[in-house]
Parts: sequence; structure tokens; C-alpha cells
Amino acid sequence: KAGVTQTPRYLIKTRGQQVTLSCSPISGHRSVSWYQQTPGQGLQFLFEYFSETQRNKGNFPGRFSGRQFSNSRSEMNVSTLELGDSALYLCASSLESPNYGYTFGSGTRLTVV
Amino acid sequence: GDSVTQMEGPVTLSEEAFLTINCTYTATGYPSLFWYVQYPGEGLQLLLKATKADDKGSNKGFEATYRKETTSFHLEKGSVQVSDSAVYFCALTPNQAGTALIFGKGTTLSVSS
Repeated sequence: KAGVTQTPRYLIKTRGQQVTLSCSPISGHRSVSWYQQTPGQGLQFLFEYFSETQRNKGNFPGRFSGRQFSNSRSEMNVSTLELGDSALYLCASSLESPNYGYTFGSGTRLTVV
Repeated sequence: GDSVTQMEGPVTLSEEAFLTINCTYTATGYPSLFWYVQYPGEGLQLLLKATKADDKGSNKGFEATYRKETTSFHLEKGSVQVSDSAVYFCALTPNQAGTALIFGKGTTLSVSS
């Protein structure tokens, strides 16, 4: 059974640019969540989508946005990149109930220069 | 709000030593509890979980028991191996659809032969 696939694995962008990251969940998983991981702040929740609807959002500025498609694939977008956006961005998928646990992808390492 | 507190690392052990990583939580209601492991350059892997009080999660020799009376979910392993070297995260979710995982700051484990 294929896992959660995130593309690309690595990305280098210039301050002020925008970036789009992609996540393909495990087949049958309709919930997709995004997290930002940095050495200073640890793992922080960005947002969660279920059946193309955003159900929950973390405390991030509006420059961070996301969407989910009808096949459950998800994208997140960061506009007007700042140096502080450099991080590992992790996507996780799950069945509807969080009881089952979340399966994470390998992440996208974003570096803003 | 809900939170997770893990013991500070790094934890340095010799192969075959006993491991305990402490985790306590603050939550309203009845959260599900998880341990995730992250190897260098990788995403998070679910190690074990427990969804109600007194449940014991176990996997690959690791165990943790959901203790509601002490709000704890300590990770233990009887005999660690070099391959167990990684960062370990304790996490909870409030068990409502769409809610996020709330992580501790992580504990780095280093095992030497």
C-alpha cells in the first residue's frame, strides 16, 4: 500500500517568491493535514482538509493557504516568502476519525534565501 | 489549551540499556495519545498509540500506557539498539474530527554500541 507522497522533496526559493507543495494521501484517506517543522518552534499545525473543505486552521498568517481536490490530493501555497518560512513541511493523512492515527509523508524541505 | 510536555534530551544510552522517555499531557476530555519517531532526513512514523485510559500501545519492543490519573504516556523499551537512534515525539489529539495533532518538542535518543 503506497504511503503519503510529498513533492518536491527539496526546494530553494528566493524571498518574496511564492511556492506550492503537493501531497498525495494514502488511498482511502480523506483527511489531509499540514504541519511546519522548525528547530525553534517544533511541529506546528497549519491546516486540515476533509472532502475538499478546510475544517481546521492553525495560527499562521494568510500567506499560508491550502486546498484539497476531489481525489483527496492536497496542495499548500505560501506567498511572499520570508526567510523564516524555511522549514520542513509535513503532510499527514488519516481516516476521518483521528483515533486511527496519522500517516506522514517524508516532507518537503523548503529553504528561502 | 491542550499541551504535551516531554523530557528534555538528548538521551544517550549504550546498546541493550533500558529506555524511558517521559511524556505528560494537559487536555480536556479524552484525547488519543501517540508516539511518533523521526529518523534523520525523514518524516514522522507512527510508533504506537492508545485511545483510552489504561490502554497499552506497543510496537517493535516499545510500550506506553495511557495513565489518565497521572496524565502520562511514558515511552519504554527494555533493550535499545543502535538503530533506535532517532527523535521521539509524544502527541495527542482531542478525538474530534478535524482536530490537529499537538506535539511535544521531541526527545533525541542516541544509542552507542
